[in-house]
Amino acid sequence: DAGVTQSPTHLIKTRGQHVTLRCSPISGHKSVSWYQQVLGQGPQFIFQYYEKEERGRGNFPDRFSARQFPNYSSELNVNALLLGDSALYLCASSLVRGIGTEAFFGQGTRLTVV
Amino acid sequence: GNSVTQMEGPVTLSEEAFLTINCTYTATGYPSLFWYVQYPGEGLQLLLKATKADDKGSNKGFEATYRKETTSFHLEKGSVQVSDSAVYFCALSVGGGGADGLTFGKGTHLIIQP
Repeated sequence: DAGVTQSPTHLIKTRGQHVTLRCSPISGHKSVSWYQQVLGQGPQFIFQYYEKEERGRGNFPDRFSARQFPNYSSELNVNALLLGDSALYLCASSLVRGIGTEAFFGQGTRLTVV
Repeated sequence: GNSVTQMEGPVTLSEEAFLTINCTYTATGYPSLFWYVQYPGEGLQLLLKATKADDKGSNKGFEATYRKETTSFHLEKGSVQVSDSAVYFCALSVGGGGADGLTFGKGTHLIIQP
């Protein structure tokens, strides 16, 4: 079975530009979450989507947005990029939203803002 | 708010040594607790979890016990191998559905020398 897949794996953007990152969850998983991992730190929660609706949001500015499609894949959009947005962006999927549900992570998209 | 504190790394041990990585947490509700591992060049993988007090999670020789009285979830292994070299993250989620996502510690880089 394919795991969580993210694209692209790497990209370089200029300050002020916009970026779209994509995530395909494990087949049958309906919940997708996004995390930002700055070098040397733990992942920080950005969004959770379940059944195509936003169910949770972390402490990130409105420049960050996301959506989930009918096939449960997801996009993370970041507008007006800043140097500080440079990070590894991780997508995680899970079967349901219950307590203790295991999240399966993709390998991430490495974003560099110059 | 929710937070996780884990021991700073890197932690360097010899093969077959005993491992302890300390993790303590604060949470606004009753959390589920997790240990995730990130091998070089790979995504995060769930190592073990516990969803209620006094539960012991275990996997691949690693163990951790959910201690509510000390708000701790320390990771232990009796005899480490070179292949255990990785970054280990302690994490928690609160509430049904984990809509606040996972809250991670900063990670502990473990280096096992032959």
